[in-house]
Amino acid sequence: TQLLEQSPQFLSIQEGENLTVYCNSSSVFSSLQWYRQEPGEGPVLLVTVVTGGEVKKLKRLTFQFGDARKDSSLHITAAQPGDTGLYLCAGVKRNAGNMLTFGGGTRLMVKP
Amino acid sequence: EAQVTQNPRYLITVTGKKLTVTCSQNMNHEYMSWYRQDPGLGLRQIYYSMNVEVTDKGDVPEGYKVSRKEKRNFPLILESPSPNQTSLYFCASRITGGGTEAFFGQGTRLTVV
Repeated sequence: TQLLEQSPQFLSIQEGENLTVYCNSSSVFSSLQWYRQEPGEGPVLLVTVVTGGEVKKLKRLTFQFGDARKDSSLHITAAQPGDTGLYLCAGVKRNAGNMLTFGGGTRLMVKP
Repeated sequence: EAQVTQNPRYLITVTGKKLTVTCSQNMNHEYMSWYRQDPGLGLRQIYYSMNVEVTDKGDVPEGYKVSRKEKRNFPLILESPSPNQTSLYFCASRITGGGTEAFFGQGTRLTVV
């Protein structure tokens, strides 16, 4: 059982549709990050959320940190084929040596 | 250019033959980590280092060793590789722990036969 559960694991949608990816845990995190990974590359940071209830926007992407800092969501509006990739959430726990713990990932495919 | 460099990118080896995957960063980061990535399991941390000569186990350390003799380098050593260590490996570095951005290398795809 993973500390961070992401859902769905796979998502295939048409261009223009909206989608939400969830990242859930029973643990509290001091901060939570979202990364995007493309084939043959390492993950690249999209955003870090720190405060419970925080909402951050990055163009068509909206990230939210749960009030209790145990969960997060990523919402994409009007998805485009360029959004295709593996989305990973990662939580930081200060009392665990500031280790970055990753969820299992959501593989998104946006079809033209 | 700020980067994390791993070598080799691809490696096929036989069971029991010792190997080292190198990792080097040019950003003067204190914190470095090794992860393995397997389908459906995301990235699992193998070992991490908060500074020179300071290393600690992550979630899946069995069968691996690391060393941190210099700030920029953090090699991953497999003394006796086994087929269950076939995976995609990533090295990452951060300024410190906490919520700072992790910069990843391009990955090393290892196959143990």
